[in-house]
Amino acid sequence: QQPVQSPQAVILREGEDAVINCSSSKALYSVHWYRQKHGEAPIFLMILLKGGEQKGHDKISASFNEKKQQSSLYLTASQLSYSGTYFCGTESRPGNTPLVFGKGTRLSVIA
Amino acid sequence: EPEVTQTPSHQVTQMGQEVILRCVPISNHLYFYWYRQILGQKVEFLVSFYNNEISEKSEIFDDQFSVERPDGSNFTLKIRSTKLEDSAMYFCASTGGQISNQPQHFGDGTRLSIL
Repeated sequence: QQPVQSPQAVILREGEDAVINCSSSKALYSVHWYRQKHGEAPIFLMILLKGGEQKGHDKISASFNEKKQQSSLYLTASQLSYSGTYFCGTESRPGNTPLVFGKGTRLSVIA
Repeated sequence: EPEVTQTPSHQVTQMGQEVILRCVPISNHLYFYWYRQILGQKVEFLVSFYNNEISEKSEIFDDQFSVERPDGSNFTLKIRSTKLEDSAMYFCASTGGQISNQPQHFGDGTRLSIL
C-alpha cells in the first residue's frame, strides 16, 4: 500500500518554512526522501530508519515516528532551488527492498 | 561521484515493437531496480534484481517485460510488443553493498513514447 503524502502542493516565498508529511497504514522499516525536478531523475535526500531518529542536511531535516508510521520532512528558510516534487519512498522490511512511493508533494518557492 | 547511466534518453517506438532500455548501475552496487513514472504521476516499482536473478516484481511486470544483466556492467529492461500505455519515464536505480537499506541512486531515465 502506498504511503499518503500531505499536502499535495504548497507555495512558499523564499525564506519561509514548510513541512511535508508521509504516512503509512503499514508498519515501516525505513522512509526515503527524494526531490524531483521536472523532467529529471529523483535525487536522494535522506533515509530515516526505524528508531525515531531525526536527520539533517543543510536546512532540510526529517523525522520518523515509527509508532505513528509517519515521517515528516522539514524545509527551513526555503530557497528557490528547493522547488520540485518531493516523494517519500517506504520500505516495510530490511534488505534493500523496492521502494513504495507516495504521490508526491509539489513545492514551489517564489521570490 | 559515481552515477547510474541510462540509454537512450528518449525512445520513440511504434506500438507492437520491442524496445530495450539500457542501464549501467554504479559499479560496486549489488541491487538493481527498474521503476517507471507515467507523466505527472508517482514513481512505480517494476522489478528488482540481485545475484543475477529477479528478487521481486510488481503486478505491472508481466510477461511482456524481462530483465537481463548480460555482462558485468549492463542491466537491461526489454519490453516486448509495446502498448500505448507503456509510454512513461523508465528509471533504473541501484544500491549496494551488504549493508541493508541503503539509498537507491536513480539514473536520469529513458523517456519512452509509444505511437
